[in-house]
Amino acid sequence: DIQMTQSPSTLSASVGDRVTITCRASQSIGEYLAWYQQKPGKGPKLLIYHASSLESGVPSRFSGSGFGTEFTLTISSLQADDFATYYCQQYDGSRPFGQGTKVEIK
Amino acid sequence: EVQLVESGGGLIQPGGSLRLSCEASGFTFSNYWMHWVRQAPGKGLVWVSYINRDGSNTNYADSVKGRFTISRDNAKNTLYLQMNSLRVEDTAVYYCARDGIADRPIDYWGQGTLVAVSS
Repeated sequence: DIQMTQSPSTLSASVGDRVTITCRASQSIGEYLAWYQQKPGKGPKLLIYHASSLESGVPSRFSGSGFGTEFTLTISSLQADDFATYYCQQYDGSRPFGQGTKVEIK
Repeated sequence: EVQLVESGGGLIQPGGSLRLSCEASGFTFSNYWMHWVRQAPGKGLVWVSYINRDGSNTNYADSVKGRFTISRDNAKNTLYLQMNSLRVEDTAVYYCARDGIADRPIDYWGQGTLVAVSS
C-alpha cells in the first residue's frame, strides 16, 4: 500500500512568512495529490488538487507543486486565518493521508 | 447547497456493532463516489473506505478490512458504514465525504459523528 509522509509535523511561523510543507509518497502517484486545511472542530477544506490546481474560492497565496513522489504546498504570505493543520492525500486507488502539519503562531 | 449529515455514532463496548448513516442532499447522490474518513481525538485524518456510484466497487483500509462494510442506497440518498467487532482504537469522529467529479479528490465533508468504544 502507498504511504504518505509529511514534513514537518509542526511549523512555527509569523504572519507574512513564506511557508512550505512537503509530502512524499512511497511510490509514484503521478499528479494524484490533494492538500486540505483543517481547523479545530471542523471538517477539512480542499485547497489544491492534481498537485497544483487551486480549488475554486481558495486564495492565490496557496500553491502546490510536484509530481511522482515528492510534492510541496506553499503559502506565499501567511495570514492569521491560515493557522491550521494541513494534510496531503493521494487519490489514485486507496486514499491514504499524510500525518498532518500543524502551522502555529511563532 | 451540498449537505452531508452523519448520524448513528455513540458509546459502544468493545466487540459491539454500530451502523453509521450519512444523508446527502443538494446534489445527485448516485453520480458520486463516497468515502468514510475518521479522526481519533487529537490525531490526524485516516481514510477508512470508499464506494463507487452503484455500490459495485468498494475498498477498505487494512485496519478495518473484514470488520467494516460500506454500502449505499441511492434511492434514499444515504451512505452507510456497518462497523462490527469494534475495538478501542476505532474511537474517532467519523466523517462522510464526497469525491469530486472527473478524477478529482474529496471536495465536501460532513460535520462528523463521534464513535466512542469503551468498556
